[in-house]
Amino acid sequence: EAGVAQSPRYKIIEKRQSVAFWCNPISGHATLYWYQQILGQGPKLLIQFQNNGVVDDSQLPKDRFSAERLKGVDSTLKIQPAKLEDSAMYLCASSFRGGYSYNEQFFGPGTRLTVL
Amino acid sequence: GQQVMQIPQYQHVQEGEDFTTYCNSSTTLSNIQWYKQRPGGHPVFLIQLVKSGEVKKQKRLTFQFGEAKKNSSLHITATQTTDVGTYFCAMNTGNQFYFGTGTSLTVIP
Repeated sequence: EAGVAQSPRYKIIEKRQSVAFWCNPISGHATLYWYQQILGQGPKLLIQFQNNGVVDDSQLPKDRFSAERLKGVDSTLKIQPAKLEDSAMYLCASSFRGGYSYNEQFFGPGTRLTVL
Repeated sequence: GQQVMQIPQYQHVQEGEDFTTYCNSSTTLSNIQWYKQRPGGHPVFLIQLVKSGEVKKQKRLTFQFGEAKKNSSLHITATQTTDVGTYFCAMNTGNQFYFGTGTSLTVIP
């Protein structure tokens, strides 16, 4: 079974630039999550999709971050414009079921973002 | 966003010693999960606890969920070098989901 795929693996940009990350979840997983993990901290949930609908985006900084999952499969997370404090690992995860039960999540390898 | 403190933050043990990490919440939880993240890697699911007072074992790992469903612990018996990594609890309050700050385990051969 293929795992969660993410690209790119690394990205370096200057502040005020835009960046986008892509995620393809495990086939058949209805729920997709985006996390931000700052070095030395635990992952912080940014947004959860159930199919193509948003379940929870309470911790997403909506003034600069956006995410979509138009066809209920793969997803993109965008930051526009980036700030220095956005430097982090961006992790995508998927689970077979979701909603507020937050079942076992399978994580991708992540995208390491550095903002200069 | 909320992050829940896990204790200890760091732990160095000699190979063969035991290790325990604790996770505490101020609110009653629907369930709690535990993940392991190796250095440079991504979190890997270990287990989910749902019931009050639940105890689950996976080989040398023992997971407990408190009677009040507000705390949990992970205990590793006789650590091995393969246990190195950061152990995170992840708490479901019913409508929100938070990872703990993690406990970084170093095992000295």
